[in-house]
Amino acid sequence: DQQVKQNSPSLSVQEGRISILNCDYTNSMFDYFLWYKKYPAEGPTFLISISSIKDKNEDGRFTVFLNKSAKHLSLHIVPSQPGDSAVYFCAASASGSARQLTFGSGTQLTVLP
Amino acid sequence: NAGVMQNPRHLVRRRGQEARLRCSPMKGHSHVYWYRQLPEEGLKFMVYLQKENIIDESGMPKERFSAEFPKEGPSILRIQQVVRGDSAAYFCASSLTVDRGSEKLFFGSGTQLSVL
Repeated sequence: DQQVKQNSPSLSVQEGRISILNCDYTNSMFDYFLWYKKYPAEGPTFLISISSIKDKNEDGRFTVFLNKSAKHLSLHIVPSQPGDSAVYFCAASASGSARQLTFGSGTQLTVLP
Repeated sequence: NAGVMQNPRHLVRRRGQEARLRCSPMKGHSHVYWYRQLPEEGLKFMVYLQKENIIDESGMPKERFSAEFPKEGPSILRIQQVVRGDSAAYFCASSLTVDRGSEKLFFGSGTQLSVL
């Protein structure tokens, strides 16, 4: 049973436009959410996070939105750049989980020049 | 994430052999985590260790898999009698603090295990 779902395996966006990556979760115990970016042959790199007490967190070109009632979060990248092309993983954790993160299956973002 | 060192990058084993994967956390980090990524899937938590202690091994298969993080030296993930289904990318991560809201794991580049 997938507790964190990324239903779009891939997304293509034109350079300069907005990229929106989506993530849904089923476990209501999750209270902290993270996005990681992964290039081929490298480990995931932390991008941005959000606590369940917030509904938005922004860091430069990256903004994460959390809709707790819908158990949905999204990552917005604007403007998108070719260097943003990577696999993006959504991850979640619950209190007392000893840092056990539950990852989604990832979305391959391709930003076209 | 360049600070978390994993070796080897690629490991080829025949069925029945043992695989040892090593991980040196970032300097000053005392928390180590192992994750496994099967093809076309996300990373799956395996085990969380602090120096000389296993804190959470709820994601570890009950048999053939073990992990340690000794007082001195790297963390080791050991897989005995490997089978083809063990073929995956194994990622190690480390963190500095256990404070809530600071769960930033820094990942290594992974070890790709291939079982022939």
